[in-house]
Amino acid sequence: ELKVEQNPLFLSMQEGKNYTIYCNYSTTSDRLYWYRQDPGKSLESLFVLLSNGAVKQEGRLMASLDTKARLSTLHITAAVHDLSATYFCAGGPMEYGNKLVFGAGTILRVKS
Amino acid sequence: NAGVMQNPRHLVRRRGQEARLRCSPMKGHSHVYWYRQLPEEGLKFMVYLQKENIIDESGMPKERFSAEFPKEGPSILRIQQVVRGDSAAYFCASSQDESNQPQHFGDGTRLSIL
Repeated sequence: ELKVEQNPLFLSMQEGKNYTIYCNYSTTSDRLYWYRQDPGKSLESLFVLLSNGAVKQEGRLMASLDTKARLSTLHITAAVHDLSATYFCAGGPMEYGNKLVFGAGTILRVKS
Repeated sequence: NAGVMQNPRHLVRRRGQEARLRCSPMKGHSHVYWYRQLPEEGLKFMVYLQKENIIDESGMPKERFSAEFPKEGPSILRIQQVVRGDSAAYFCASSQDESNQPQHFGDGTRLSIL
């Protein structure tokens, strides 16, 4: 059964700094998603990664996928306060159909 | 608003009562998913439905929980005889098809059991 682990679970960083959130998964996952959730709000889709070596960037966030290492990363460049949120990765092999398995989430707090 | 609509946003029930959570998918989406989020945890898959069919209910508790997505109207997640442990945020998501496009989530229903 697929298990998805994120680390760190909590990240406090200063504005302007860089950091990376890691998402490890235990068995094959044919797709990997990153979502953002603000407190009390829904999940917003950030990235969809479908192949080994995929890299996607949007603003200060960049996501990558290494299927051989079963690892996805979300890199934050020059953090700003508006990036404070909880970030989830989720995946699933094709045999799961559309069922997604989520990590526990990383709470990011960017301090001014 | 063409997004996934869930109601109510907040629901309070006493132990033993029934809870009904509703979800209208995005326009043009015929696939609906329900997830449960316990405090400070990730989302846990519950059930995946298409119109009038349950496709995957592997995450649904065997008792008291049921889900439907009728031909007309919203998808309903029903919890009978609620217990304190049912307190959670329940999210609905929808997708257009079975492709790898991301699921779009509603704002969730926060269920509190007194």
